[in-house]
Amino acid sequence: QKEVEQNSGPLSVPEGAIASLNCTYSDRGSQSFFWYRQYSGKSPELIMFIYSNGDKEDGRFTAQLNKASQYVSLLIRDSQPSDSATYLCAVNTGFQKLVFGTGTRLLVSP
Amino acid sequence: GAGVSQSPRYKVTKRGQDVALRCDPISGHVSLYWYRQALGQGPEFLTYFNYEAQQDKSGLPNDRFSAERPEGSISTLTIQRTEQRDSAMYRCASSLATGPQYFGPGTRLLVL
Repeated sequence: QKEVEQNSGPLSVPEGAIASLNCTYSDRGSQSFFWYRQYSGKSPELIMFIYSNGDKEDGRFTAQLNKASQYVSLLIRDSQPSDSATYLCAVNTGFQKLVFGTGTRLLVSP
Repeated sequence: GAGVSQSPRYKVTKRGQDVALRCDPISGHVSLYWYRQALGQGPEFLTYFNYEAQQDKSGLPNDRFSAERPEGSISTLTIQRTEQRDSAMYRCASSLATGPQYFGPGTRLLVL
């Protein structure tokens, strides 16, 4: 079992819809959780981080964390074609290094 | 600087040569990380520093790989006797202590 799992996609949504990206992790001791957006040929760009159970909202983005279920999600409201990218889930298990999933490719069609 | 910088951006080398990849973190960031990213995969941890101290090098694939950060700022990742399997994107990130990590543009290494 991989430490951080994501569906590779692609996840296709129409413009204006809500995109829901999911991530599960195996280490119950994980302390902090991050979502990075990576455009093709570019470096990962931090878009959200969450440390506590519940929801955290920032503009059109909402991160959700459920430690009991070992589940992190990212919701993107009013999806735009410019949101089309690969979204990487990363988990910090307490030793500063991040463990990444393989990423979910999101396609937002106009 | 405004962000993490890495040099060179591209490096082509012949098998058996040594290469040195450089990372300059965001000003004031005490922690610096090296990752390697294969196509279609997420970054994979190699090593990290707090100030000049290497705290974890568990991700370095073998003893041909080494890293240093002698003055607690710029870091160099060195690969000796390169092999074709070392070809990848090497990414550096920095953070304030245990805060979120911010990535640089990466160095694409191609070993022929």
